[in-house]
Amino acid sequence: RKEVEQDPGPFNVPEGATVAFNCTYSNSASQSFFWYRQDCRKEPKLLMSVYSSGNEDGRFTAQLNRASQYISLLIRDSKLSDSATYLCVVNQGGKLIFGQGTELSVKP
Amino acid sequence: DADVTQTPRNRITKTGKRIMLECSQTKGHDRMYWYRQDPGLGLRLIYYSFDVKDINKGEISDGYSVSRQAQAKFSLSLESAIPNQTALYFCATSDSGGESPLHFGNGTRLTVT
Repeated sequence: RKEVEQDPGPFNVPEGATVAFNCTYSNSASQSFFWYRQDCRKEPKLLMSVYSSGNEDGRFTAQLNRASQYISLLIRDSKLSDSATYLCVVNQGGKLIFGQGTELSVKP
Repeated sequence: DADVTQTPRNRITKTGKRIMLECSQTKGHDRMYWYRQDPGLGLRLIYYSFDVKDINKGEISDGYSVSRQAQAKFSLSLESAIPNQTALYFCATSDSGGESPLHFGNGTRLTVT
């Protein structure tokens, strides 16, 4: 079993839709969590950190469930520009492990 | 100028050749990482270093070695390249705090023929 797993997608949604991604992790001692965005095989860029209490940044909401060992990312009112691959990252004692990424395609 | 610089950007090499990928950073971060990315597999950690004297194997270190020459430099070597090492390689840095995210270089596209 991979240490960090994501639904690979692709998710194809119309503009304005709400879409949710989940990511599960196997190491209960994992310390911190992030969502990254990657466009067209360019370098990943930090989208948001994920805090225990949940956090929101505009149309994006991240949640952490430590008991069930998963994190989620919700995108509301999706835009064409949201089309990308979304990567969850789990920090295990300084070792940052990526999920395989979930591809999102937002259509007009 | 980029904070995390990888050289070369692209490289084509033959099976059996030794090759070095270089990474330098101006962010003053202690931690540096090498990842490779293959289609459908996300980024997999090869090696990581918390400071000049602390180097650790990641998920897929076989066939690779690293050198942390200074706080700002972390190079990845393939002693004898093989075709399944064809991939996109990323260097990244982070600060030493537990909540610190990664900052990536632009990547090196390596092809082994």
